[in-house]
Amino acid sequence: EAGVTQSPTHLIKTRGQQATLRCSPISGHTSVYWYQQALGLGLQFLLWYDEGEERNRGNFPPRFSGRQFPNYSSELNVNALELEDSALYLCASSFPGGLNTGELFFGEGSRLTVL
Amino acid sequence: AQSVTQLDSHVSVSEGTPVLLRCNYSSSYSPSLFWYVQHPNKGLQLLLKYTSAATLVKGINGFEAEFKKSETSFHLTKPSAHMSDAAEYFCVVSDVNNNNDMRFGAGTRLTVKP
Repeated sequence: EAGVTQSPTHLIKTRGQQATLRCSPISGHTSVYWYQQALGLGLQFLLWYDEGEERNRGNFPPRFSGRQFPNYSSELNVNALELEDSALYLCASSFPGGLNTGELFFGEGSRLTVL
Repeated sequence: AQSVTQLDSHVSVSEGTPVLLRCNYSSSYSPSLFWYVQHPNKGLQLLLKYTSAATLVKGINGFEAEFKKSETSFHLTKPSAHMSDAAEYFCVVSDVNNNNDMRFGAGTRLTVKP
């Protein structure tokens, strides 16, 4: 069974540009979560999507946005990139109510570097 | 809001010796608690979880954790470390009464010396 897949693996952008990261959840999972893992800051919750709707949002500015498609895949968009956006972006998926069981399945991440 | 504190940013043990990774939590409600492991250049994997059942929770790879409400702790232990245990470990608290808000600790890097 295929796990959570993320693309691209690495992405290099310059300040002010936009970045788009993509995530395909495990088949049967309807919830997708995005986390930012910046050096020294641990994992910070960004967004949670379920059934195509944004269910919760972390403490990030509006230039971080995303969406979930009918096939439950998701993309994360970061506009007006800043140097501090450089981080590993992790996507996770779960069955509905996944957070009630804690069973999140993570992808290997997309590393974004902003120059 | 709930939060979690991992008391050690780095723990170093010798192979074959016990492992103790410490985690304290804060939650207004009865929390769900988890430990995840992240090997280098990999995503996170669930090690074990506590969801108000038995207070001693057994996970994969010989790890276990004990929920102690009086101490607001959920420490991760393993009797004998293996080289393959070297990784980053995250303690996580989830509050299902708060829109499933899930908070990760800052992580503890475990080094295992031969």
